[in-house]
Order: sequence, then C-alpha cells, then structure tokens
Amino acid sequence: DAGVIQSPRHEVTEMGQEVTLRCKPISGHNSLFWYRQTMMRGLELLIYFNNNVPIDDSGMPEDRFSAKMPNASFSTLKIQPSEPRDSAVYFCASTWGGTRDNEQFFGPGTRLTVL
Amino acid sequence: GESVGLHLPTLSVQEGDNSIINCAYSNSASDYFIWYKQESGKGPQFIIDIRSNMDKRQGQRVTVLLNKTVKHLSLQIAATQPGDSAVYFCAEKGGSYIPTFGRGTSLIVHP
Repeated sequence: DAGVIQSPRHEVTEMGQEVTLRCKPISGHNSLFWYRQTMMRGLELLIYFNNNVPIDDSGMPEDRFSAKMPNASFSTLKIQPSEPRDSAVYFCASTWGGTRDNEQFFGPGTRLTVL
Repeated sequence: GESVGLHLPTLSVQEGDNSIINCAYSNSASDYFIWYKQESGKGPQFIIDIRSNMDKRQGQRVTVLLNKTVKHLSLQIAATQPGDSAVYFCAEKGGSYIPTFGRGTSLIVHP
C-alpha cells in the first residue's frame, strides 16, 4: 500500500485566497483525521471522520475552515479565505476505527504558507 | 520533557549511546500511550505503545516505561544511531479515539 497520500506537498498562496488540501486514506481504513502542526501549538486535531461522517470538529479554528469526506477514499480540507496565521503543516491520518487503539498512519503533510 | 515555548527541548547524544526521552502526561484517566517519531519533512510514525496495565514494554532497540503514579512516560533508545535523529512525541488516550499529543523532543545524534 502507498500509505496515506496528501496533495499538494507544498502550497504557497496569498492572503484571501482559497486553499484546498487533499487526502487519500489507506484503503480499508474507516477513520480519518486532519491535524495542523506549528511550532507554537504543536500537533492539533482539527476534525475526525468515521465512516465518512464528521464525528468531532471542535478543533476547527473558525468558519473559514471546512472539511469534507464525500467517500471512503477521499477527503478535503478547505480554507477560505486564507490568512497568514494559517501557515502550518497540515497532516491527514487514517486508521481502522473498529478498535480504539489501532495505530494511526500519517501522511507526509502539506506545508502551507500564506503570504 | 515537554515544551511550552517556541523551541522544542533537545537531547543531543553521541552515536552508540543510549537515549532517554521523557514525557509528562496530563490525564490520570489515560490508559493507552503511544510514542511517535517524526523525521524532518515527514509525518509522525508509530514506534511503540503501552497500556496502563503495564509498566514496561520492549521493542527493537526501544523500551517504553510508564509510571502512572507520577504520570510519566519515557522512551529509551539503545545504541542510538544517526537515523534516530528526529522529533519524538508521546500521545495519550483515555476513552477517546482521539490521541492527545505532547509537544515533542528533538533528538540529535552526533556521529
């Protein structure tokens, strides 16, 4: 398996622009997580899907952020409009959610820079 | 240890030495703990886990120790190699499917 796939790997955009980050989880996994990582705040959970349904979105910073999972093999995280403080590395992770303690597999991340 | 500032705590060791990375967790109800390794430009990768009914668990060159009394977790890496250079995170779970991550410790291995 190729592991969790994220695209793009790097994104540079200007303030106010829309940004869409993409994730393909590992085939067979039914839980998907979006995280944001910064030096200041570490690794923060943004949203968690189980069986394509958002279960916990309490970490989504504000209405500018939205996430979707239209099917089991694809998810997007959208920021509109983007702001410089959104600059971070965004990770997607997936797992089989049938058991609480199954390992999470992380993608390589998307490094977002908002100018 | 865990950082609350801009810079991660850093552990520098010589190749071949043993490394010990520490983590203080916050939730006394946590019953499952994980160590992750994050190399530069990559996502976190699972190393080893331990449940709260255990005090120690060993893997290949790695050992995790859990002290529930003081809510402390440590990762020991034997015969540290340059490829071990990375940021190491502990994470805890207590009833939730969602892990809570620590801030991380940077391990630098000098050849």
